[in-house]
Amino acid sequence: ETTLTQSPAFMSATPGDKVNISCKASQDIDDDMNWYQQKPGEAAIFIIQEATTLVPGIPPRFSGSGYGTDFTLTINNIESEDAAYYFCLQHDNFPLTFGQGTKLEIK
Amino acid sequence: QVQLQESGPGLVKPSETLSLTCTVSGGSVSSGSYYWSWIRQPPGKGLEWIGYIYYSGSTNYNPSLKSRVTISVDTSKNQFSLKLSSVTAADTAVYYCARDLALEHWGQGTLVTVSS
Repeated sequence: ETTLTQSPAFMSATPGDKVNISCKASQDIDDDMNWYQQKPGEAAIFIIQEATTLVPGIPPRFSGSGYGTDFTLTINNIESEDAAYYFCLQHDNFPLTFGQGTKLEIK
Repeated sequence: QVQLQESGPGLVKPSETLSLTCTVSGGSVSSGSYYWSWIRQPPGKGLEWIGYIYYSGSTNYNPSLKSRVTISVDTSKNQFSLKLSSVTAADTAVYYCARDLALEHWGQGTLVTVSS
């Protein structure tokens, strides 16, 4: 089973900031990494696929990078609407596994 | 745009079977070569993938739950379902359904509490 170590668990940012969220895999997963955004009471939204590809309809201030074991979700020019829970998913092997999540607060 | 909605009892007694249904709109569970997954998140903890059913009917379950899980599909109602047997308090969680291995579309989730 692939363990995903996501950090930080919590972060606070100011509008206009750039933030990075890390997800490290316990084994090589190629680019089989996805990122999601979730707000309380709402369905999760798929934002980055295959580590680096922006899902259609997602603002370009979101980007993903990485390959193998180290991955990063970057949000540039943070907006207040970006306050949410973010999590990563590996779909390279079964069982599918998730990072522990990051709660992003906007001041 | 495909939408998914979970439904089922919010309270289940210990040792009983948890049963949930995911209703799919904007797409068919029996076509498109899609996988239909269940995921859960216990309060204050991370997400756990439970398993999937492929449009053809084949299934794949998380080994941690495999002995207690059954996922099935009802094409006449455009739904797929989760059954988890012999539940304990540790099975208290928000349960989500989602489409495909990329989990590209999610339901809003439903909280199931296991308590007597």
